[in-house]
Amino acid sequence: DQQVKQNSPSLSVQEGRISILNCDYTNSMFDYFLWYKKYPAEGPTFLISISSIKDKNEDGRFTVFLNKSAKHLSLHIVPSQPGDSAVYFCAASTANTGTASKLTFGTGTRLQVTL
Amino acid sequence: DAGITQSPRYKITETGRQVTLMCHQTWSHSYMFWYRQDLGHGLRLIYYSAAADITDKGEVPDGYVVSRSKTENFPLTLESATRSQTSVYFCASSLPGVAGTGTQYFGPGTRLLVL
Repeated sequence: DQQVKQNSPSLSVQEGRISILNCDYTNSMFDYFLWYKKYPAEGPTFLISISSIKDKNEDGRFTVFLNKSAKHLSLHIVPSQPGDSAVYFCAASTANTGTASKLTFGTGTRLQVTL
Repeated sequence: DAGITQSPRYKITETGRQVTLMCHQTWSHSYMFWYRQDLGHGLRLIYYSAAADITDKGEVPDGYVVSRSKTENFPLTLESATRSQTSVYFCASSLPGVAGTGTQYFGPGTRLLVL
């Protein structure tokens, strides 16, 4: 059973426009959420995170929104750039694991930013 | 080089053979993790380690063995490889994080093909 779901396997956006990547989760114990970005033949790299006590976190062009009641989070990239073309993974963890950040990942969304 | 490295980057083996994937990090991070990435599943945690000589199972541990005699190394062994273990394997490390918030840093991955 997939506890973290990314229902859109791919997304194509024009350069300069907004990219919105979505993620849903089913486990109400998740209280920390992250987005990772992955280029081909490389490992995932951390992008941005949000704690469940917040509903928004912003870092430059990247903003993550969390709707706890809907168990939904989204990543907004504004403006989108060609270098943003990658696979984006949503991940979640729970404080129950203590200091170990055991992550549960979604299946990923491939973002293509076109010129 | 500083960071987290994995070897080999590519490996082809046959069913029934033992295979060991290596992971080495230079940050002295206490936590280390092994994930596998498969289409339709995202990244799934195989094993993790909180410190030298302390390891624990993740979501999909069957068929794998880990050890951690030194903080910087975390090898993953497939005792008798099966075709279902064909995958891309990622190692990651992190510092302890309050309430599971430690950011994980990933290696470049090992692509394993079991014939």
